[in-house]
Amino acid sequence: AQSVTQLDSQVPVFEEAPVELRCNDSSSVSVYLFWYVQYPNQGLQLLLKYLSGSTLVESINGFEAEFNKSQTSFHLRKPSVHISDTAEYFCAVSDTGGFKTIFGAGTRLFVKA
Amino acid sequence: GAVVSQHPSRVICKSGTSVKIECRSLDFQATTMFWYRQFPKQSLMLMATSNEGSKATYEQGVEKDKFLINHASLTLSTLTVTSAHPEDSSFYICSAIGGQGDLYEQYFGPGTRLTVT
Repeated sequence: AQSVTQLDSQVPVFEEAPVELRCNDSSSVSVYLFWYVQYPNQGLQLLLKYLSGSTLVESINGFEAEFNKSQTSFHLRKPSVHISDTAEYFCAVSDTGGFKTIFGAGTRLFVKA
Repeated sequence: GAVVSQHPSRVICKSGTSVKIECRSLDFQATTMFWYRQFPKQSLMLMATSNEGSKATYEQGVEKDKFLINHASLTLSTLTVTSAHPEDSSFYICSAIGGQGDLYEQYFGPGTRLTVT
């Protein structure tokens, strides 16, 4: 069965510092990986996705993630965070495209001034 | 981008009553919609998958008689929580597939906060 592990429930970081949110996928069959962001009392927004091709994917607001098949990881990184990046981040995987997407437990990123 | 709306955004109801939550795809036809439940500080739990014109497929442990899902058109799915109890209080989120993005992208609604008193 598929399982997504987000290793950190909370990540506090100072503004302009780099950050890495970790995600591991225990399944060997996942082919689609996603990162979603959720702001308080809102739904999820797709941040970036890996479907095929280059294993390094980037979002428009400076986040990037790299799929490491050997380590089954898909960690999310940003070189310099802003206060506005404070939110909950969910890693998700699927072996059937958009169907049956499995979400990790989430990581709360808290950016401090 | 594809937009999904939910109504209401918040609802408070008394124990024993039923409440309906609507999920609409505003600018695309949603071939499939999903309903999730999210407890505080936890991840999303898939409740059911619904396809237009057919019965919803419920995940294991989700009571289909309690959480009625109707996907009457390609732009509307409804979730009705029947005989609600305080333990049904949660954040309910819908998502849809079928927008201009690729087949693998789910577009999420803003969520509905249900409080049962």
